[in-house]
Amino acid sequence: QQQVRQSPQSLTVWEGETTILNCSYEDSTFDYFPWYRQFPGKSPALLIAISLVSNKKEDGRFTIFFNKREKKLSLHITDSQPGDSATYFCAASKAGNTRKLIFGLGTTLQVQP
Amino acid sequence: GPKVLQIPSHQIIDMGQMVTLNCDPVSNHLYFYWYKQILGQQMEFLVNFYNGKVMEKSKLFKDQFSVERPDGSYFTLKIQPTALEDSAVYFCASSLGLHSYEQYFGPGTRLTVL
Repeated sequence: QQQVRQSPQSLTVWEGETTILNCSYEDSTFDYFPWYRQFPGKSPALLIAISLVSNKKEDGRFTIFFNKREKKLSLHITDSQPGDSATYFCAASKAGNTRKLIFGLGTTLQVQP
Repeated sequence: GPKVLQIPSHQIIDMGQMVTLNCDPVSNHLYFYWYKQILGQQMEFLVNFYNGKVMEKSKLFKDQFSVERPDGSYFTLKIQPTALEDSAVYFCASSLGLHSYEQYFGPGTRLTVL
């Protein structure tokens, strides 16, 4: 059973549009939610993250909106660029010995010029 | 950002052989992780290592797997013997500590078991 779910599986947008990527989770003890971006053949790179104390986190064109009650997050990318084309992973972790990350299956984004 | 290095980038071996995957974590980081990614699937946690010990391992971390970081050198994942289902990309990650949540990933080692 997937503890972290992402939708859609893939998405194509036009340059300049706003991209919305969705993520939901099951375990209410998760308290930290990073988003990673992975280009083909490259390592996943930390893009932006949010914790339970916030409802929103913004960094440039990237914004996370967090609905704790529904256990849902979304990553908004404004003014999407062709260089944003990549796979985006939502992950979650919780307090404990390790802070291991539980990943979703990812959303593959294609931004058309 | 901080760089994690992995050697080799690609390894092809015959089933039953031993393989060692090497990771050079960020220099001042204390927590080390291995994740496994099968093509088209998500990354899955294998093991976490801190202060010379395995802190947690998943059910994917079979008895044939072992990790170590002798004398602050490479953080290694050894598989002995390998099986066909071990074919995957293995990512190493490191973080500063439990209260610094950011994990930084290496470029991965693509392991192909024939």
